[in-house]
Amino acid sequence: DTEVTQTPKHLVMGMTNKKSLKCEQHMGHRAMYWYKQKAKKPPELMFVYSYEKLSINESVPSRFSPECPNSSLLNLHLHALQPEDSALYLCASSEGPSAGELFFGEGSRLTVL
Amino acid sequence: GDSVTQMEGPVTLSEEAFLTINCTYTATGYPSLFWYVQYPGEGLQLLLKATKADDKGSNKGFEATYRKETTSFHLEKGSVQVSDSAVYFCALSNAGGTSYGKLTFGQGTILTVHP
Repeated sequence: DTEVTQTPKHLVMGMTNKKSLKCEQHMGHRAMYWYKQKAKKPPELMFVYSYEKLSINESVPSRFSPECPNSSLLNLHLHALQPEDSALYLCASSEGPSAGELFFGEGSRLTVL
Repeated sequence: GDSVTQMEGPVTLSEEAFLTINCTYTATGYPSLFWYVQYPGEGLQLLLKATKADDKGSNKGFEATYRKETTSFHLEKGSVQVSDSAVYFCALSNAGGTSYGKLTFGQGTILTVHP
């Protein structure tokens, strides 16, 4: 199994809602990532988890809260988002924390009204 | 810090034409280099990679050679197909530099292939 699975594929939320994005991989990878991608732009790194511990936070606003319940799962909790947070959120994993080859999910397209 | 520069797009070609997308990088140490492809409505897929100087990555008819002397990793394909229409991202990973644990992406090049 070489897949990274993300749910939901599409999410629409209001600025006062609380929602979560989920990501799962069963490749035994020990590093997992959240990226944000705006249309026609490269992905921007948000968070890196290495061996289930948060190792990189790219100064992301606190309205985004990551969680890594176990080595196969990664969540991104969303609260009080702004319309400018609308984007494609990509999860990725790699064998270890030195990046190298990343395996990406298909993304969750978020729209904030 | 590390950086990747890709040729500006979009690139529009006819089917069976030759493709080159230029990519140059700035990095300390010995980075690994990658080309990722993103088809419409999908996530990123690794297309090919090279981990040391003079390595050639290849996949699905695409090739790129890691040239340390010119700090380049240009993507080429001899005969493109309509199904190659996508956005192509050049990227580097530098575990030995200041970008440990991160991929640095270029801006992306949109490729459209017409029948």
